[in-house]
Formats: sequence, structure tokens, C-alpha cells
Amino acid sequence: AQSVAQPEDQVNVAEGNPLTVKCTYSVSGNPYLFWYVQYPNRGLQFLLKYITGDNLVKGSYGFEAEFNKSQTSFHLKKPSALVSDSALYFCAVRDIRRNRDDKIIFGKGTRLHILP
Amino acid sequence: KAGVTQTPRYLIKTRGQQVTLSCSPISGHRSVSWYQQTPGQGLQFLFEYFSETQRNKGNFPGRFSGRQFSNSRSEMNVSTLELGDSALYLCASSLRQGAANTEAFFGQGTRLTVV
Repeated sequence: AQSVAQPEDQVNVAEGNPLTVKCTYSVSGNPYLFWYVQYPNRGLQFLLKYITGDNLVKGSYGFEAEFNKSQTSFHLKKPSALVSDSALYFCAVRDIRRNRDDKIIFGKGTRLHILP
Repeated sequence: KAGVTQTPRYLIKTRGQQVTLSCSPISGHRSVSWYQQTPGQGLQFLFEYFSETQRNKGNFPGRFSGRQFSNSRSEMNVSTLELGDSALYLCASSLRQGAANTEAFFGQGTRLTVV
């Protein structure tokens, strides 16, 4: 069965510093990986995805993520954090296996606090 | 292009009652998934519908059910409500099942409070 782990419940970063939000996954087949962000009282907004190709994926709002197959990780990064980046971030995985399209599974989320 | 629309936004129900939540996907999207979000459990997958058929199901009791109509709109129903059913229920639509590389688009959710 597929699973996603976000080992940090909360990450605190000073404004202007680089940020990393960690994600590791487990799948039987090939993974499709996603990052979403949730602001208070809102649904989830798509940030970026890895399907195939370059391991470094660029997404919305200056975010990027690096796919590392050997470490089964897909960490979210941003070179310079903004206070407005403060939100709840979810990593998600879909396990792609032949003749089967499995559901998207989400991690428990990491709350990112950017300190002014 | 309108986004995913969930109604109602807020609901307060009493234990033992039942509730129906509605989701209208993005036009052209035929796959609809439902998730339950709680502070302790995060986002948990309920079920996924495509072409009026349930394609995937999460680990929830039979009190949780859903359906999808021919216009791709979906409803989920929770019967015999329990206090622990209080949560934000999120609906997500995507282009089609099989297009697994496409992201899901989420509605703003329905906040259900059971008292």
C-alpha cells in the first residue's frame, strides 16, 4: 500500500532564509508526487507535481521540489521565504501500477511559520 | 472557468442525524474524490467516483456513502452522525481517471460540526 510521511509537524523559518519541508513516500510501483498548500479556512491549492523527467520540479509562488528515488523523498524548497508563505503544506502520492489507477494519498501536513 | 463548488460551506447537526454534502466539479472533470480533514488525522481518503461508479474506497465505516450523477456532480452522505464525524470535508475533481498524472483541484470544503 502507498503511504506518505511528513516527519515535521511544524517548521519555523526566518523571512528571507531558504526553507525546506520534508516528504518521504512508499509505493509499490512508480510514484506521481504532488505538493499542495492550504491557507486558513480554504481548500487545498496545487503547487507542483513530479511525473517523470527532471528530478527538480518548479511550481507556483517560487516553490520547487526535488525528487530523489534512492531516498524515496520529495522535499519542498524555496530559496527565500516570505511571511505570506506561512500555511499548511501537504505532500501527496499516487501509486501508478499497470492497469490500475490508485487514489491520491496525502501526508498529515506540515505547518510552515515564516517569522518576520 | 468555475472551480470546484461545495455546498453548504458550514453545517451543524445533532448526533444521530444524517447529512448530505454536495460537490460540483470543474466543468469537463469526470473524477471526483472526497476527503475528511481533521486536526489529528490530517487528510483521509473517503472515496473516488468516475462515470457514476465508485472506483476507490478508503477505510471508513458504511455510514459514509456517496454517489455521482451523470453530470459528474457528486454527493456524500453520512448517516447516524457521531461527534467524531466533525471535520472539514473536501471534494476534489480531476480530469479523468487514468490521467493519473493530472493534479486534483479542491473545493473550499464543508465544515461539519456534530453536537
